[in-house]
Amino acid sequence: NAGVTQTPKFQVLKTGQSMTLQCAQDMNHEYMSWYRQDPGMGLRLIHYSVGAGITDQGEVPNGYNVSRSTTEDFPLRLLSAAPSQTSVYFCASSYRRDRNYGYTFGSGTRLTVV
Amino acid sequence: DAKTTQPPSMDCAEGRAANLPCNHSTISGNEYVYWYRQIHSQGPQYIIHGLKNNETNEMASLIITEDRKSSTLILPHATLRDTAVYYCIVRVPSMNNAGNMLTFGGGTRLMVKP
Repeated sequence: NAGVTQTPKFQVLKTGQSMTLQCAQDMNHEYMSWYRQDPGMGLRLIHYSVGAGITDQGEVPNGYNVSRSTTEDFPLRLLSAAPSQTSVYFCASSYRRDRNYGYTFGSGTRLTVV
Repeated sequence: DAKTTQPPSMDCAEGRAANLPCNHSTISGNEYVYWYRQIHSQGPQYIIHGLKNNETNEMASLIITEDRKSSTLILPHATLRDTAVYYCIVRVPSMNNAGNMLTFGGGTRLMVKP
């Protein structure tokens, strides 16, 4: 199935634990990005990548790491989870030529840190 | 990117037109207006975008005032499935690999009622 796949859909972590949120797309999109959405708020950009081997920070990068070893995958790592990282995380991708509007979003990962 | 102002919530009767306003009084000449929406618990979905001319597609129409300081997204015949948060985003289209990913604000929560 074409699209952006995020796993897991739900996760509960204890403070201090680490984990990786997975994001994969099978559309050969060059651009990929991670957003977080807190209750009642808009999306905020965490990290993004414009191609394999290239990543950069967004608006709220602290506490998160990313890597882009392949075009298809863009995992988001939480180094030491904190309650402030409780949020819904969305991954998005697009072709470079459609980078201004043609974003496809995943269905999200709902993370709770206790 | 220019700042946008949207009402936090609106109601619309099913079958009627939904008119969602957006104020972007500081917009610059090369900034486009984009609209996305987010249905509950899903990732955002692209709707439409424009520079200065009115635009229409299968989902909606976008009306931009002559001075470009405001715009209106029109859903011509709203259905219950159009209940969502609608985001107005103003930005310069990304012309290089520097990223410039989407920045989401609070949006307008549209409730379509039977």
